[in-house]
Amino acid sequence: GENVEQHPSTLSVQEGDSAVIKCTYSDSASNYFPWYKQELGKRPQLIIDIRSNVGEKKDQRIAVTLNKTAKHFSLHITETQPEDSAVYFCAEEGANNLFFGTGTRLTVIP
Amino acid sequence: ETGVTQSPTHLIKTRGQQVTLRCSSQSGHNTVSWYQQALGQGPQFIFQYYREEENGRGNFPPRFSGLQFPNYSSELNVNALELDDSALYLCASSLAAGGLQETQYFGPGTRLLVL
Repeated sequence: GENVEQHPSTLSVQEGDSAVIKCTYSDSASNYFPWYKQELGKRPQLIIDIRSNVGEKKDQRIAVTLNKTAKHFSLHITETQPEDSAVYFCAEEGANNLFFGTGTRLTVIP
Repeated sequence: ETGVTQSPTHLIKTRGQQVTLRCSSQSGHNTVSWYQQALGQGPQFIFQYYREEENGRGNFPPRFSGLQFPNYSSELNVNALELDDSALYLCASSLAAGGLQETQYFGPGTRLLVL
């Protein structure tokens, strides 16, 4: 579970457009995949998570999809707003910890 | 906000010194995990404490040690500080139940600068 690849590293979108961030993982036994948003100088905040018994989960403008066969999961943000600008981290569960991706810096241009 | 608190918020130390960072977990949580976040990187797992016992450790040397108290608050101690220890140290609390990975909620972090 130590290899979580996250793409892209930076992403700029126009306000109102959609943003998609993708992560791949290596441990087929992993069952829990959270996404965190971290604003500059702030703590990582959980925005959505998904467990392996579902393929998709949605919360207002945010959705996460999981493909266990391909071992990848994605964050989708629709109707982006300037306040969505932050660094987003995907994570994969380990035995007793989370393995984080390297982060995606999302900039929403007004 | 998560209810997880950390102290101090900022700290400056010199090489070779020792530091103690503190974390109070969210009410009802019995597990605290510590992470190191270098600038521009994702958090890296240091170790986890569950019911006052170390319950897993990442790739950090023994000079990184910890404690958990009966009220589930926790300390991270770092001895013989090195310049590369400069980072944001985050603790996360969760409720471990039956081995199922539960959501981890992060504190605001302690920013450590080693000169």
